[in-house]
Formats: sequence, C-alpha cells, structure tokens
Amino acid sequence: GEDVEQSLFLSVREGDSSVINCTYTDSSSTYLYWYKQEPGAGLQLLTYIFSNMDMKQDQRLTVLLNKKDKHLSLRIADTQTGDSAIYFCAESNTNAGKSTFGDGTTLTVKP
Amino acid sequence: DAGVIQSPRHEVTEMGQEVTLRCKPISGHNSLFWYRQTMMRGLELLIYFNNNVPIDDSGMPEDRFSAKMPNASFSTLKIQPSEPRDSAVYFCASSLAGAYNEQFFGPGTRLTVL
Repeated sequence: GEDVEQSLFLSVREGDSSVINCTYTDSSSTYLYWYKQEPGAGLQLLTYIFSNMDMKQDQRLTVLLNKKDKHLSLRIADTQTGDSAIYFCAESNTNAGKSTFGDGTTLTVKP
Repeated sequence: DAGVIQSPRHEVTEMGQEVTLRCKPISGHNSLFWYRQTMMRGLELLIYFNNNVPIDDSGMPEDRFSAKMPNASFSTLKIQPSEPRDSAVYFCASSLAGAYNEQFFGPGTRLTVL
C-alpha cells in the first residue's frame, strides 16, 4: 500500500530557514499536502502541490516536489517561534478517496 | 460554517466502560474520517465513510471498536469495552470526495481510560 515517511524531529533557531523532508511510495499520487498541527488542535492544511508542478511558493513557504525520486520538501523562510508545531506530509490520488499521512515532523524553533 | 464539531472534548473513563465519541462534519462534505493519534503510533486512520457508507475499516484495531454514520451530518465511534491502551486523541475529519482531498479536522477528543 501507500507509504509516506518523514523524519520525526527538527530544531532550528529563530530567523533561520527550516526544511522538512518527506518521501512517498505511491507513483500515482495526484496531490501532495503539508498540514500543520499546533498543540491541542487538529491538523490544518498549510499548502499543497499538484503532481505536475515541481515548485510552489506562498509567502514564507516553498514546496519542492521531485516526482522522479518521490520526494517532497517544505521550506519555511525566516522561521518564527509561532512556527513551532508538528508538520504532516500527505498524498492522495484519484482513486483512493482518502489521503495517506506521514507520522509528522515536530519542528522546534529556539529563540 | 463552524467547522467539524466533536464531542466530548475530553473523556475520562474506567477500563471496561463503553465510550462513544461523536462527530458532526462540515455541511456538504461527503467523506468522513476517524483517526487516532498517540505518541507511540502517530496518526492512524481507523475508518472512513463516503456518502455515509463505510469504505475502509482496515484500521479499526479490534472488534471492540465500531463506527456508524446514520446520516450525512453525524457519526459515532464506539469503544466497548474500553481498555487503557485505547487512551489517545481521536480526530474526526471531513472532506469532499475527489482527487483533491483537503481534509478538515475537528479539535479532537482526548480519551483517557484508567
């Protein structure tokens, strides 16, 4: 079945860039997503990318997709303490009717 | 819209008791998902429904777990009997079915089984 993997922890200093990486196995993935989960809350969509794109930029966020290597990354520029959260990578395809989520990367931003 | 609504937000119960978690999806959404989140196992998909019909319940851990969706605006997840290892945060999410599958998550129910 589909699998999505990401590293569990990342720690950066305030003002630095953060890069969170994700790999997936489903070659028919249509959309790939990044969700953010703040303490005590549910997941919320941060951004997504369609599989025929290789980059998407949205303010401080840059998503890179390498479809050949099935690798997705999320770069957060000028990371702030408010960016501390768990970030989940997910993918969906036309036929699945659902998304497959990774285990989440806990980002800690130190002042 | 108020978003996905879950109740209760917190539940503390004793081992062996029945627990019922409730979810109201976003109006107009036709897919509903139940997840469980723990430190040890991360985020697990338990079951999902499309147009009120269960599509995949392969993530339901045991027969002690059951889920229903009697109509488009309500779903329940029941654990009977509950065990301490069921302690977790349970999330309900809803979406529009399709290739683009943005899911809207509720705030979760934190379940503690003593």
